[in-house]
Amino acid sequence: SQTIHQWPATLVQPVGSPLSLECTVEGTSNPNLYWYRQAAGRGLQLLFYSVGIGQISSEVPQNLSASRPQDRQFILSSKKLLLSDSGFYLCACPRLDAQYFGPGTRLTVL
Amino acid sequence: AQSVTQPDIHITVSEGASLELRCNYSYGATPYLFWYVQSPGQGLQLLLKYFSGDTLVQGIKGFEAEFKRSQSSFNLRKPSVHWSDAAEYFCAVGANTGGFKTIFGAGTRLFVKA
Repeated sequence: SQTIHQWPATLVQPVGSPLSLECTVEGTSNPNLYWYRQAAGRGLQLLFYSVGIGQISSEVPQNLSASRPQDRQFILSSKKLLLSDSGFYLCACPRLDAQYFGPGTRLTVL
Repeated sequence: AQSVTQPDIHITVSEGASLELRCNYSYGATPYLFWYVQSPGQGLQLLLKYFSGDTLVQGIKGFEAEFKRSQSSFNLRKPSVHWSDAAEYFCAVGANTGGFKTIFGAGTRLFVKA
């Protein structure tokens, strides 16, 4: 079975600072990978998905970007964080039988 | 386009009472349907899923859900709620369109009172 790791678990950053969240996957090859954001009191918003190395699709326009430098690595970035970027970020790997989630990163932008 | 609607933002039930969380979906083909639970500060855990066959599916922690095609619904139920069931619940539909994608509802937060 596959396992999704996310790093860091918690992050507090000032407005205007850069961001890099990492997601790595074990136990599978060539996975589809997703980044979701869950803002306080809101559901899951799909931010980006990737079907392979270097292939990124953005679901919503925003201050964030994503990259897929390796088959099992998916990175969420920002050059300058906004207050509205605060939230709980989840990396996920969808499969037909279920969607596997990482443990999440809690980002607070002050 | 696929979409999922959870009409109740939050629900409060007494411990021991029955529970039903509503979910309606929009999808052109036979959907893959899921319910996930998220405890505070945690990731999401799969409760149950429907792909085909029996429209009443059993999940973990005593939950069940019934797929009703005519109503485009996939409501989650539990006959007797425990205080530990307090969490946020997400309904989701899976679509295989150029790669498998899961669309989530906005979630329903469940509060359990003693």
